[in-house]
Amino acid sequence: DQQVKQNSPSLSVQEGRISILNCDYTNSMFDYFLWYKKYPAEGPTFLISISSIKDKNEDGRFTVFLNKSAKHLSLHIVPSQPGDSAVYFCAASAGGGSNYKLTFGKGTLLTVNP
Amino acid sequence: EPEVTQTPSHQVTQMGQEVILRCVPISNHLYFYWYRQILGQKVEFLVSFYNNEISEKSEIFDDQFSVERPDGSNFTLKIRSTKLEDSAMYFCASIFSGTRDNTQYFGPGTRLTVL
Repeated sequence: DQQVKQNSPSLSVQEGRISILNCDYTNSMFDYFLWYKKYPAEGPTFLISISSIKDKNEDGRFTVFLNKSAKHLSLHIVPSQPGDSAVYFCAASAGGGSNYKLTFGKGTLLTVNP
Repeated sequence: EPEVTQTPSHQVTQMGQEVILRCVPISNHLYFYWYRQILGQKVEFLVSFYNNEISEKSEIFDDQFSVERPDGSNFTLKIRSTKLEDSAMYFCASIFSGTRDNTQYFGPGTRLTVL
């Protein structure tokens, strides 16, 4: 049951260049999307989110784009830094009620080379 | 900055034993969650908890699992009789309210190893 898909298991970029991580979803009920960064043996760290009423959200070097018609979102990191090297998870939730459980993708390992 | 904490960081147990994983969510948060990540797999939802009761649970969360918020600060996950396949990282998460901000904040995790 892959409602959230991250089709690239890994991505390698040079320091200073743009990193683009992609995520697709199938559940039309999802209305809130988040990106988390995770290091080995640590918990996911929240990076940036976007509500389905927007198509772009920016926070410093991180920008998330949402294309609802394509059920696609992407995370742009500009400029990429070696410290950005980690696994990036896309997650989604369907709002309403008292439950906002997250459905995660499998993650993309980003390596930023100095 | 407030954060979610979890103890222990690593728990080793024998198959069939009971384990209790502990979490202290961010103090003014109202919704609490447990997730797990088996090595090499994605993070999976186990259970959500609100207003002192379970809101939703996944297929993974069978009768061997239970959750409790015993004292208004701790949030625990109990596995009654552990199986080998319960070996995973277990993450606790919390949010204040889902009305406009569904951002869940995660703890550092407990690595459970069942031998």
